[in-house]
Amino acid sequence: QQPVQSPQAVILREGEDAVINCSSSKALYSVHWYRQKHGEAPVFLMILLKGGEQKGHEKISASFNEKKQQSSLYLTASQLSYSGTYFCGTEAGGSQGNLIFGKGTKLSVKP
Amino acid sequence: DGGITQSPKYLFRKEGQNVTLSCEQNLNHDAMYWYRQDPGQGLRLIYYSQIVNDFQKGDIAEGYSVSREKKESFPLTVTSAQKNPTAFYLCASSLRPSGGAEAFFGQGTRLTVV
Repeated sequence: QQPVQSPQAVILREGEDAVINCSSSKALYSVHWYRQKHGEAPVFLMILLKGGEQKGHEKISASFNEKKQQSSLYLTASQLSYSGTYFCGTEAGGSQGNLIFGKGTKLSVKP
Repeated sequence: DGGITQSPKYLFRKEGQNVTLSCEQNLNHDAMYWYRQDPGQGLRLIYYSQIVNDFQKGDIAEGYSVSREKKESFPLTVTSAQKNPTAFYLCASSLRPSGGAEAFFGQGTRLTVV
């Protein structure tokens, strides 16, 4: 079952902040975040594991609430290059390796 | 350079024909995945494989088949049983079969069935 992302789309001015949310109905082992630009492959941003381990780009921050099965991606001081579609992917506990993605959040950053 | 390669980039087929999409990786990754992408639907998992000679169905496996005879290769066959095969197909790989590792994606194959 796909995780649910919100909002579906967001428009920002350069320098503004945004939060993208991801929630699952299952107990999670990990949450992944990727960004995809039009016509390109998704690019890894961050992974958050049950127990607190995180790995990702320095300028990206995210949180993972294991009890609520939710994660949020924080984009601060947005730049034009942040535009794209953001996907969260989840691995449920007991189904590690079964990486399921949400429908995506389209982010547009304008000058 | 290490990476994951999908070929071809664009593929056209007539309705009723089977077609095989290629995915090769030289990252020495154990896990490989196939996703289908349609506008507004995100990435939907077709099949995944955690080790050679083993694979599991994803959410939308009907009408598709895969094989994993070699660690570096995970081809996807779109059969004539797939009712709406026109889509963008993405292959991915990750290091650990047990999960918890970032996925690397290929550049995708856009399949059009006419």
